[in-house]
Amino acid sequence: SAVISQKPSRDICQRGTSLTIQCQVDSQVTMMFWYRQQPGQSLTLIATANQGSEATYESGFVIDKFPISRPNLTFSTLTVSNMSPEDSSIYLCSAGVDRGRAGYTFGSGTRLTVV
Amino acid sequence: AQSVTQPDIHITVSEGASLELRCNYSYGATPYLFWYVQSPGQGLQLLLKYFSGDTLVQGIKGFEAEFKRSQSSFNLRKPSVHWSDAAEYFCAVAPNRDDKIIFGKGTRLHILP
Repeated sequence: SAVISQKPSRDICQRGTSLTIQCQVDSQVTMMFWYRQQPGQSLTLIATANQGSEATYESGFVIDKFPISRPNLTFSTLTVSNMSPEDSSIYLCSAGVDRGRAGYTFGSGTRLTVV
Repeated sequence: AQSVTQPDIHITVSEGASLELRCNYSYGATPYLFWYVQSPGQGLQLLLKYFSGDTLVQGIKGFEAEFKRSQSSFNLRKPSVHWSDAAEYFCAVAPNRDDKIIFGKGTRLHILP
């Protein structure tokens, strides 16, 4: 199955700054997704990263706060902008393997703490 | 809109006992169903998935799940749990095979020695 490398694995950031998280898949995938997991909570979908076009955001998430890039079929970035302590979460990248036939693989996540 | 309900937030079982974690989904057609496990401080691991065919699905680590259309359920089972099974378990659903997946709130499994 596909392997997803996500970096950084963790970071501590000052409020008001931005952090860009990178997600690299070892094979071409059609669908890539970004999730947020707040402390002690489940995973909430932020957006679907579309290759060559603007990301599709879920309700409650906006492009100005979470800009996403997907320049090719193996790579995507998520930026958390103008951070506040409420953005402290784990951010995970996911990709559909074999067009979803083999399920969805997740990166190990980026643990973000905003101080 | 599709949704997933895991009615049990916490479950505690003794080591060696059987386990069943409940999952109900809300979706018009037959969705694609998944169970994931997340150990403390670890990433998500796919235990098993259901797309079609045999409604009893075998997964890794001795887990299985049964899809019951009439009950809109996809419960996870294991005949005998091990201490290493202590983790958070997430049921998830996708409307199509290569589409976004939505997660339930999770069930935390505790194992008594």
